[in-house]
Amino acid sequence: DQQVKQNSPSLSVQEGRISILNCDYTNSMFDYFLWYKKYPAEGPTFLISISSIKDKNEDGRFTVFLNKSAKHLSLHIVPSQPGDSAVYFCAARAAGNKLTFGGGTRVLVKP
Amino acid sequence: DARVTQTPRHKVTEMGQEVTMRCQPILGHNTVFWYRQTMMQGLELLAYFRNRAPLDDSGMPKDRFSAEMPDATLATLKIQPSEPRDSAVYFCASGLNGQGAETQYFGPGTRLLVL
Repeated sequence: DQQVKQNSPSLSVQEGRISILNCDYTNSMFDYFLWYKKYPAEGPTFLISISSIKDKNEDGRFTVFLNKSAKHLSLHIVPSQPGDSAVYFCAARAAGNKLTFGGGTRVLVKP
Repeated sequence: DARVTQTPRHKVTEMGQEVTMRCQPILGHNTVFWYRQTMMQGLELLAYFRNRAPLDDSGMPKDRFSAEMPDATLATLKIQPSEPRDSAVYFCASGLNGQGAETQYFGPGTRLLVL
């Protein structure tokens, strides 16, 4: 039973354009959501997060949107850069700081 | 530049052998997580420690896997005996619980291949 799903396994976007990554969840007890970025042969690195009491959080080129009623969050990267090419994982936290991860979306930014 | 370290980075072993993976969390962090990444399952949580005490190991096959924290600077994950289906990348992450929702910082992973 996948509680966190990233339905798009891959995404290709032109440099300078917007990348939109989506994530759906089923557990209404999740109260905190995070996005991680992973390069090959490295561990995931934290990118941006959002509390369930907010609907938007912005950090530079990265914005995360949360729609609690739809149990959906998205990550926007504007403008996309070639260095953004990586696998992006969304994660959700319930009590106890356990994170449940989605399956990841591979982003390719073409120059 | 504080970071989580993991050893070994790569391990090739034969079925039935014992495998030990080590993790040094970031100094001062009090939570440690072990994850496994496979193509089929993505990132799945195996075990979780807070202040060196195991809080949750429900994601770990109990018959062959064991996780310990002998001290605050070392976490270990052992597989005995190893099987080919254990082949995966194993990540350790650490965080600081008690400051609201913590961010977990991941190590580079141990890539395990069991033949």
